[in-house]
Amino acid sequence: NAGVTQTPKFQVLKTGQSMTLQCAQDMNHNSMYWYRQDPGMGLRLIYYSASEGTTDKGEVPNGYNVSRLNKREFSLRLESAAPSQTSVYFCASTSTGGTGELFFGEGSRLTVL
Amino acid sequence: GESVGLHLPTLSVQEGDNSIINCAYSNSASDYFIWYKQESGKGPQFIIDIRSNMDKRQGQRVTVLLNKTVKHLSLQIAATQPGDSAVYFCAENIGGGATNKLIFGTGTLLAVQP
Repeated sequence: NAGVTQTPKFQVLKTGQSMTLQCAQDMNHNSMYWYRQDPGMGLRLIYYSASEGTTDKGEVPNGYNVSRLNKREFSLRLESAAPSQTSVYFCASTSTGGTGELFFGEGSRLTVL
Repeated sequence: GESVGLHLPTLSVQEGDNSIINCAYSNSASDYFIWYKQESGKGPQFIIDIRSNMDKRQGQRVTVLLNKTVKHLSLQIAATQPGDSAVYFCAENIGGGATNKLIFGTGTLLAVQP
C-alpha cells in the first residue's frame, strides 16, 4: 500500500497562475484533509472532507477550493496564486471515529513568485 | 530539507537522557490529544494519543501526560536516541469522532546530541 500520495512534490508558480494539488489514499479512509505548513506556525487546516460528497472550511480556507472527487481522491486548487500561499502543503486521511490519528502524505512544496 | 525547524522552540538533549516536550492547548471540549513526530522532508507521523478522560498513557519509550486543569500536555521520551531528532507537534481533536478535526500546535524541535 502506498498510503497517502501527493502530486506534485515541488511546484513554482507566478503570481496569478492557477494550479491543483492532487491527493489520493488507498486505505479506504472516509475523511481527508489539506493542511499548510509555514515556518514557526505548525500545520494549519485549510479544508477537510469528513466523507465522500462533503467538504468544510478549516482555519485558513481563503484563496483555496477543494474537490472530493471520490472516496480516494481529494484535490486542492489555487485559482489565482499569491506569494502568501508559498508553503508546504500536506494531505492527510483517517477513518471516521477513533482518536483522529491522521496519515499524512510526504508534502508538496509550492513557491509563488 | 524542510525549513520548518526555523523559529521553533528547540530542546537539546544528550543521547541517553530523557526528553520532555510541552504543549499548551486551548479547547476544553477536545476529545483526544495526539502527538506527532515530523522528520526533515517528511510528513508528520503519529506517536501516541490520549483521551480527555485520562491523565497518563504510556507507549514504547514514550509517555503522554494530560493536565486538564491548566490545559497542558507533555510528551516524555525515555533514553532519547539520535533517531528521535525531529519536530514534535501536539494536536487536539476538536471535531470528535465524526469529523476528526485536528488543530496543531506550533511544534518543538528536538535535537539529540551524540
